Amino acid sequence: AQSVAQPEDQVNVAEGNPLTVKCTYSVSGNPYLFWYVQYPNRGLQFLLKYITGDNLVKGSYGFEAEFNKSQTSFHLKKPSALVSDSALYFCAVRETLSNDYKLSFGAGTTVTVRA
Amino acid sequence: EAEVAQSPRYKITEKSQAVAFWCDPISGHATLYWYRQILGQGPELLVQFQDESVVDDSQLPKDRFSAERLKGVDSTLKIQPAELGDSAMYLCASSPQRGIPYEQYFGPGTRLTVT
Repeated sequence: AQSVAQPEDQVNVAEGNPLTVKCTYSVSGNPYLFWYVQYPNRGLQFLLKYITGDNLVKGSYGFEAEFNKSQTSFHLKKPSALVSDSALYFCAVRETLSNDYKLSFGAGTTVTVRA
Repeated sequence: EAEVAQSPRYKITEKSQAVAFWCDPISGHATLYWYRQILGQGPELLVQFQDESVVDDSQLPKDRFSAERLKGVDSTLKIQPAELGDSAMYLCASSPQRGIPYEQYFGPGTRLTVT
């Protein structure tokens, strides 16, 4: 079975400071990993994904994430947060050998960036 | 930029009534997903279509929920009868192909309130 844990319900940072949103995963084999962002009353927007190759993945809006296989983590980072980054962030995982290609999402982390 | 369309955006219904949601995926996307997102949680897959065929409906409460994608393009999700516990956001997503780990593109969602 595959699963994702986002250990922090909320993350609060000041604008201009680094932002980190944590994600750990559990799969039987190798993972495909995704980050999505959700603004109030909106659907999820894709930020970035890890499929294979370089452990550091760069995505939309200046976000990046680092895949760490030994720690089974895929933390989302942004060097300098903006007030407009305030939103709900979801990490998701899919096993590479899964027959149903289903994504499993974490419970989400609410990010608040204060001016 | 192409988007996934959903309607209605908001729906209020009384318990025991029937309700239906519509989704039009991005043109050319073969795979369509319906998710349910309860407030404070990540999305959970209800049903997945590949073209017009259901490939995963293991989490769909089949006694009251049904989904169809008759021509392999747009899709309808129905609940009959609605229960109070069905209040949630219903998200539709699409992706180009089932096997390859493309990201899923989400629509804005339908927020259902059952009274």
